[in-house]
Order: sequence, then structure tokens, then C-alpha cells
Amino acid sequence: GENVEQHPSTLSVQEGDSAVIKCTYSDSASNYFPWYKQELGKRPQLIIDIRSNVGEKKDQRIAVTLNKTAKHFSLHITETQPEDSAVYFCAASRNDYKLSFGAGTTVTVRA
Amino acid sequence: GAVVSQHPSWVICKSGTSVKIECRSLDFQATTMFWYRQFPKQSLMLMATSNEGSKATYEQGVEKDKFLINHASLTLSTLTVTSAHPEDSSFYICSARAPSGRGSNEQFFGPGTRLTVL
Repeated sequence: GENVEQHPSTLSVQEGDSAVIKCTYSDSASNYFPWYKQELGKRPQLIIDIRSNVGEKKDQRIAVTLNKTAKHFSLHITETQPEDSAVYFCAASRNDYKLSFGAGTTVTVRA
Repeated sequence: GAVVSQHPSWVICKSGTSVKIECRSLDFQATTMFWYRQFPKQSLMLMATSNEGSKATYEQGVEKDKFLINHASLTLSTLTVTSAHPEDSSFYICSARAPSGRGSNEQFFGPGTRLTVL
């Protein structure tokens, strides 16, 4: 099955700086790569997603890049704010729509 | 739109009892729903795929006789944890696939159910 690895496991950044989280996947058939933000005890919230026919996508301070050849994708958050502090998960799925999640990254934005 | 609810939001039960968790798509029909389990400080792990009108498909290592899934309508899937034990204590989250005509890979998550087995 699909194996998604995520790094780093924790990330502490100064407010205003950028945060980058990287994921790799194993199944070349994966074609959908969402990123979720989860606050303690809450549901995962989709913050951005990318499909395999696109190399980059941006939504305000958040961007995702995908390298299909290398089978890795990254989340970039610019101008971080304290409310960006949360656990972030990457995921990958194929046409069966089953999501395989990375282990998560705990992001702390220091004021 | 695309709201998914879960009930109950939390439940405490005694070891050996069964607990039913409901997952509802409130404003769309969901032919496919998914059930995940999340232990503290860990990631979401897919337990099973629930298809309306057919048997659920379980991921490797998930006991289908212990985690009973029923998807009897296009808006409701239920997960019953039978003979629950303390090691079943976890955060159970369901999701529903986006309705057709919308990015169909997208899943909408319920708010989760915190199960504590004493």
C-alpha cells in the first residue's frame, strides 16, 4: 500500500518567518495530495490540495509544490502567524480515494 | 455546503459493552464514507471504506467482526465497536467523499468521536 513519510515532526518558527513541511510517497499511482491542519481534539481541515497534473498551487500565504518524478510534495506557509500553530498532515490517495496520511508535523509559531 | 456530522461527540463505556457511532452527511449524498482512528499524538489511520448498499471493505489488521460498519442510506454510516476494551479508546473520525461535480477526491471530515473504554 501507499506509504507517506513526513518531515519534520516538529517545527518552531518565529512569527513572520516561513514554514516548510515535506512529504514523500511511495505509490506512483497516487494522484491527489491534500494538506490538513488539525487543532487539538478537532477534525482535520483541508487547507490546500494538489492533483498530479499540477506542479504548484498557491492560496494566499499557503503554497504546495509537487514533484511527481521524485514522488515528493511540500507545504509552504509564508508570513506565519500564531494562529498557524497546529498539527499539519500531508496525505496521498489514488483513484480509490483512500487517504494515506503522513505522521504529522507540530508547528509552533513563536510570537 | 458539504457538512458531515458525528454523534456522539464523546462517549465513555465499560469494558465489554458495544458502542455505536453515527456519521451523517447533512447536505449531500455520500455513496462512500471512510472511518479513521486516531490515537493521541498520532496520525489518522484508515480503518475501513463504507459503501452505501454494500459491505464495507476493511484495511489490513482491522477486525471486521469487532468494528461493524453499516451504510444503509446515502447520508448515514454507522460504526459499532463491539465488546469494547480499553485499547479501543481513541478518536474515531469519519469522512465522506465529495459529491460528484465537485473535486471528487476531496473528503469532508466529521468532528470526531472520543471513545473512552473503562
